[in-house]
Amino acid sequence: DQQVKQNSPSLSVQEGRISILNCDYTNSMFDYFLWYKKYPAEGPTFLISISSIKDKNEDGRFTVFLNKSAKHLSLHIVPSQPGDSAVYFCAASDQQGGSEKLVFGKGTKLTVNP
Amino acid sequence: ETGVTQTPRHLVMGMTNKKSLKCEQHLGHNAMYWYKQSAKKPLELMFVYNFKEQTENNSVPSRFSPECPNSSHLFLHLHTLQPEDSALYLCASSPTTGLKTLHFGNGTRLTVT
Repeated sequence: DQQVKQNSPSLSVQEGRISILNCDYTNSMFDYFLWYKKYPAEGPTFLISISSIKDKNEDGRFTVFLNKSAKHLSLHIVPSQPGDSAVYFCAASDQQGGSEKLVFGKGTKLTVNP
Repeated sequence: ETGVTQTPRHLVMGMTNKKSLKCEQHLGHNAMYWYKQSAKKPLELMFVYNFKEQTENNSVPSRFSPECPNSSHLFLHLHTLQPEDSALYLCASSPTTGLKTLHFGNGTRLTVT
């Protein structure tokens, strides 16, 4: 059973608008969450993370929101740019576990149209 | 050269072949990882090495054999693979296993015929 779920395989938005990518998790022990971005023919690159002691973390155009009671997190990109078109992976872990305990979702392919 | 480099980028092999994937990191990290990404599936952790010692084997079949001669190099030896092993194999590194931000290579796209 998947512990980290990204239920939308794809998302298409217009340039300048907001992109919202969603992620749900089932393991209540998870308390550290990350988003990775992957372009075609490249490996994933770390984008932003959030610890469960926070409900929001912002880095430029990227903001991650965490709703612990709902076991849900989301990545907001605003304004969206064509260069943001990529696959976005959500990942989760518990603070006691190291990077070998990261659990990834299947990814959401974002397309930002000019 | 910086970052995590994987070779080859693409590999086609028959089920009776033996081949190896190579990964090299120039980041001074001590932990290295092999991940598998199959179509429409999450990234799956295969192996973890910390200071050249294997610390995690995620129930990977023995037809996949990792080797870590030093903290900068990681190999994945392949033999008698199955068509369902066709996937993107990603190498990653991190300063230690305690940190969760992994640095990935660009992967090897493997096709088993």
